[in-house]
Amino acid sequence: DAKTTQPTSMDCAEGRAANLPCNHSTISGNEYVYWYRQIHSQGPQYIIHGLKNNETNEMASLIITEDRKSSTLILPHATLRDTAVYYCIVRSRSSNTGKLIFGQGTTLQVKP
Amino acid sequence: SAVISQKPSRDICQRGTSLTIQCQVDSQVTMMFWYRQQPGQSLTLIATANQGSEATYESGFVIDKFPISRPNLTFSTLTVSNMSPEDSSIYLCSGRAAPNEGLFFGSGTQLSVL
Repeated sequence: DAKTTQPTSMDCAEGRAANLPCNHSTISGNEYVYWYRQIHSQGPQYIIHGLKNNETNEMASLIITEDRKSSTLILPHATLRDTAVYYCIVRSRSSNTGKLIFGQGTTLQVKP
Repeated sequence: SAVISQKPSRDICQRGTSLTIQCQVDSQVTMMFWYRQQPGQSLTLIATANQGSEATYESGFVIDKFPISRPNLTFSTLTVSNMSPEDSSIYLCSGRAAPNEGLFFGSGTQLSVL
């Protein structure tokens, strides 16, 4: 599975959009991009995933560049409860193991 | 999405003893996984729990140290054997209902070994 690169940490003002980047320049055509987050002292929480098209759900939007080498997770109106570590993970669509390998992620601090 | 109940939520154990962690899912899942998260670190995959057969371990993890059972599609256990202080960590189980869906996680077991 392709490796991802994320900034170690980011800050965001409460109420503003949080844009979290992820680089996956070695991604192949059959690999999905998944985003998870982990709030302190809790298990990770699935946010969203996509293959090529942009995706949106009740939590966030995922924007994938046309060449698929990078993506951005957007939390449209960040709140203090969105403070967490955000993980971007790439996994093969055809993988029959289903496993996910976590990197170090981005620590997002939402400030009042 | 499905809910995983994991227990115990925390335990303090003596070195040389073993602890078994249980995960119960409220619906059938195709795949279950066990992760470890050491203090201040990201998650490390220990193994894939295969229903009705031996687990598939990642590099650096062995069955004698971390035996895993998965008797059916809703339940799995991880045992941490012959514990040492280096095993102090959070252990998390996770599941996936369908191949390309997201993983969901239990709330974790915080283990401290004295």
